[in-house]
Amino acid sequence: AQKVTQAQTEISVVEKEDVTLDCVYETRDTTYYLFWYKQPPSGELVFLIRRNSFDEQNEISGRYSWNFQKSTSSFNFTITASQVVDSAVYFCALSVSILTGGGNKLTFGTGTQLKVEL
Amino acid sequence: GAVVSQHPSRVICKSGTSVKIECRSLDFQATTMFWYRQFPKQSLMLMATSNEGSKATYEQGVEKDKFLINHASLTLSTLTVTSAHPEDSSFYICSATRGGLSSYEQYFGPGTRLTVT
Repeated sequence: AQKVTQAQTEISVVEKEDVTLDCVYETRDTTYYLFWYKQPPSGELVFLIRRNSFDEQNEISGRYSWNFQKSTSSFNFTITASQVVDSAVYFCALSVSILTGGGNKLTFGTGTQLKVEL
Repeated sequence: GAVVSQHPSRVICKSGTSVKIECRSLDFQATTMFWYRQFPKQSLMLMATSNEGSKATYEQGVEKDKFLINHASLTLSTLTVTSAHPEDSSFYICSATRGGLSSYEQYFGPGTRLTVT
């Protein structure tokens, strides 16, 4: 069975601060995909990133960066110089390969509510 | 792109009535569609997986007779909440996958907020 843990329920920062959202996952599959989604108050899920289990390279996209470490089963997300528009709920999710019978079901973490204040 | 739409975006219905929610893949054929439910301040919980032309597979604890899912074509899946009750009030989100080697990628609809009075 798959499990995703986002231990931080809510984080509050002041604008321009850096903030890291933690994600720890569990799976016995060797082939899997990790995702981060943003859910603003409107409710629509916004895809941020996908990583497969064979690609441990960290990624940077503008103010966003992701640190994938298989040794600790973590896929953390950092926002640099946070802005008020970053306020949202962020979900980490895990999907195992259809080849291993996972059926591509997404297992979501419980989400982290990020509040960025002026 | 890979766009998924949902209709309606919001619906209010009276207790005991049924309501249908549509999920459409606008620019691709979706071999598999997923239905999620999200209660306030909670995570997305998978309700069921549907493949075109076959019966949906429901997650444990989800009532098949209450949440009817039909995936009649490669671009349309519907979720019907039958005999809705206030506890069914929730945010319902669908997603769709292209299938094949891209089947790990789910494209999400904008969600439908259901309120049962």
